[in-house]
Parts: sequence; structure tokens; C-alpha cells
Amino acid sequence: GENVEQHPSTLSVQEGDSAVIKCTYSDSASNYFPWYKQELGKGPQLIIDIRSNVGEKKDQRIAVTLNKTAKHFSLHITETQPEDSAVYFCAASEGQNDYKLSFGAGTTVTVRA
Amino acid sequence: DTEVTQTPKHLVMGMTNKKSLKCEQHMGHRAMYWYKQKAKKPPELMFVYSYEKLSINESVPSRFSPECPNSSLLNLHLHALQPEDSALYLCASSPPVGVGEAFFGQGTRLTVV
Repeated sequence: GENVEQHPSTLSVQEGDSAVIKCTYSDSASNYFPWYKQELGKGPQLIIDIRSNVGEKKDQRIAVTLNKTAKHFSLHITETQPEDSAVYFCAASEGQNDYKLSFGAGTTVTVRA
Repeated sequence: DTEVTQTPKHLVMGMTNKKSLKCEQHMGHRAMYWYKQKAKKPPELMFVYSYEKLSINESVPSRFSPECPNSSLLNLHLHALQPEDSALYLCASSPPVGVGEAFFGQGTRLTVV
């Protein structure tokens, strides 16, 4: 099955700086890569996703890059704000089935004011 | 309406009790999911329903019994649980399986005593 590794496990950044989280996956057939943000006491919220036919996608301060050859993808948050503090999970589809996602272990991001 | 609504938000039950978790969505999604999430861990897939039929059971013990009465509702019936089953139970939905992103509910925080 799919194995997703996520680094770092914790990340502390100064407000206004950028944050980068990296994930690698094992299944070369995976074609869907979402990122979720989970705040304390809440369910995961999809913040951005990318499919294998695209190398980069951006939505305001958030961007995701995908390198299919190297089997890794990254989340970039620019101009971080205190409300960006949360746990972030990357995920990859198992093969070409979007409905079965393998999640990374999560990154706890803390934005210092 | 882009919400997945779960009830109750919190549940405490004894090991001999029978209880049910409920999930509802009105986005016209035809795939619905149950996940289990332990503290500081990523969500783990339990069940997937596609067009109201169970399509994936991730070898979940029979003390967890899912039910999908119609395309908008998903239940999880609980019976004879163990303390180690205490966790956050998340419901999610997505467009027809294999098409798009999954939206998560806020979860039910379950404590088994």
C-alpha cells in the first residue's frame, strides 16, 4: 500500500515568515494529493490539493508543488499569520483511487506573534 | 451548504452500552466515509460508502457497524466497545468516488468507560 512520510513534525515560525512542509510517497500510481489543516477540537479542513498532471498550484498565501519523478510534494505558506497555527496533514491517494487516502503523520505549526 | 454535520459532538458510553453516531450532508455527495482519529495521529479510514453501498471495510471489528439509510445520511452503530476505542470519529463526504476532495465534519469525541 501507499506510505506517506511528512517532515518536520513540528515547525515554529515568526509571523510574516514562510513555512514549508514536505511529504514523500511510495506509490507511483498515486495521482491525488490533498493538504488538510486541523485546528484544535475541529475536523480536518481541506486547504489545497493537486493532481498528478500539474506541477504547482497556488491559492493566495498557500501553494503546493509536486515532483512526480521524485515522489514528493510540498506545502508552502507565505506571510504566515497567527491563525495559520494548526496541525497540517498531507495525504496521497492509494493508486488512482481518490477515496482511499494515506495520510502523513502531521506537522504542528506554531506562528509566533 | 458545504457542511458535513455530525452528532453528537461528545459521547461518553459504558462498555455494555449501545449508541449511534450520526452524520449528514446536503452537498449531493455520493461517497461517505468514517474515520477514526487518535490524539496527535492522522485520521484512519474505517469505512467507505459509495452510492449508499458499503465499498470499503478496513478490517474494522464488528462492534462498529455502519449504516447508510440514504444518500445524505451515514450512521455508525456502536456496541460493546473497549476503552481503547476512545477517539475522535470523523465523517467525511466527497463527490462520486474517485472524482474530488473529501469534506470532513467536526467529529464526535467518544470516550468509552
